Amino acid sequence: AQSVTQPDIHITVSEGASLELRCNYSYGATPYLFWYVQSPGQGLQLLLKYFSGDTLVQGIKGFEAEFKRSQSSFNLRKPSVHWSDAAEYFCAVGLGGYGGATNKLIFGTGTLLAVQP
Amino acid sequence: NAGVMQNPRHLVRRRGQEARLRCSPMKGHSHVYWYRQLPEEGLKFMVYLQKENIIDESGMPKERFSAEFPKEGPSILRIQQVVRGDSAAYFCASSPRQGEPELFFGEGSRLTVL
Repeated sequence: AQSVTQPDIHITVSEGASLELRCNYSYGATPYLFWYVQSPGQGLQLLLKYFSGDTLVQGIKGFEAEFKRSQSSFNLRKPSVHWSDAAEYFCAVGLGGYGGATNKLIFGTGTLLAVQP
Repeated sequence: NAGVMQNPRHLVRRRGQEARLRCSPMKGHSHVYWYRQLPEEGLKFMVYLQKENIIDESGMPKERFSAEFPKEGPSILRIQQVVRGDSAAYFCASSPRQGEPELFFGEGSRLTVL
C-alpha cells in the first residue's frame, strides 16, 4: 500500500540555521511528490512539487527538495530558516491515477517546526 | 481567479445535529476531493467526486457521512448525527481532470461538536 512517512514529529531550529525535513514514501512507481506548509488554523500552501526531470526542485520561500529514488525520499531543505517559517510541514505522494488507483494525495503525518530566536 | 471556496469556515454543532460543508472548486475544475484533518494529525482522504459521480469513497466512514457533487452547485459533505469525534478540519481540493496529480486546496471548514 502507498504510504508516506515523516519520521520527525517536532523539530526546533535556531533562526538562521539550516533545515532539513525528512520524507520517505512507499509507492510502486515513480511518484508525484509534494511539500505543503500549514500555519495554525490555516489551509495548505504548496511549497514545491516533483513530477519528473531534475531531481532537485526549487520552491517558494527559499525551500528546495531533492528526490532520491534509491532512498525513496523527498527531503525538504532550506539553508537559512526565518522565524516566519514556524509552521507544520506535510509531505504528500500523488497517485495520479497510476495502476488503476484513483487520483488522490496521500499525506504524511506532518512535522511541526519551531524556530528559536 | 477565485480559488477553491469552502464554507462555512467555522461551524459549531451539538451532538446529534447535522453538519453540511460546502465546496466550490476552482473555475474549470470538475473533480473534487474531501480530506479530514483530526487534531494533531495529517490529512486523511475521504472521498473523490466528479460531477454527479462518486469515484472513490474508500476513506469515508461507513455511517453518517455522505458526499455529493451535483451537476449545478457546490460539492457538499454531509455529516448526520455528529459526535465529538467528528470535530476536525475538513478540506476540499479540486483538479481540472482525471489523473491530474496536483490538487488545489481550499482554506478548510473547521467543525466543532459540543
